[in-house]
Amino acid sequence: DAGVIQSPRHEVTEMGQEVTLRCKPISGHDYLFWYRQTMMRGLELLIYFNNNVPIDDSGMPEDRFSAKMPNASFSTLKIQPSEPRDSAVYFCASSHSPRTRRSNEQFFGPGTRLTVL
Amino acid sequence: DQQVKQNSPSLSVQEGRISILNCDYTNSMFDYFLWYKKYPAEGPTFLISISSIKDKNEDGRFTVFLNKSAKHLSLHIVPSQPGDSAVYFCAASVGTSGTYKYIFGTGTRLKVLA
Repeated sequence: DAGVIQSPRHEVTEMGQEVTLRCKPISGHDYLFWYRQTMMRGLELLIYFNNNVPIDDSGMPEDRFSAKMPNASFSTLKIQPSEPRDSAVYFCASSHSPRTRRSNEQFFGPGTRLTVL
Repeated sequence: DQQVKQNSPSLSVQEGRISILNCDYTNSMFDYFLWYKKYPAEGPTFLISISSIKDKNEDGRFTVFLNKSAKHLSLHIVPSQPGDSAVYFCAASVGTSGTYKYIFGTGTRLKVLA
């Protein structure tokens, strides 16, 4: 059974360019989360969706960041325009609705390492 | 403002000895805590969790201790093995909008020396 799939695994771009990161959650999971990992701040929650609807985007750093989930099996995180300080590893995670705290475990994808020059 | 803090960025331990990773939190509303383990080029994977109604949870070589009055939790690995070398993230959870948000710390890189 495939886990969370993210693409691309690595992205190198120049400042000012648009970047799109992609995620396919685990089938049957109805929550999807986008995180950013940096040395200084660790893993930060950017936004999460429930049944394709954005629930909380309070972690999105600024208007240059946007996320969509057009259907249950696909989500994108877009940065436009990108800046060097956006360089980080971006993770997507998915989970079931919580019936118990343990069943609410979040499963992470392998991440996309973004470098903005 | 970091609500979950892991003050030790790295830790080295000899194989067979105990590894102790620490985590502090500030929000008394957190009621469930987790440890995730991350290998290079992979996503974090769940390791162990503890509810705030308990002060200890054990799973094989891994034990998590929770001290609510001190707002502190720790992960003990006994005995440590080279395969335990990874980054360990502490996370605290709070219920919101039908699910539970995880607030992660900055991670501690554990190196187990053979």
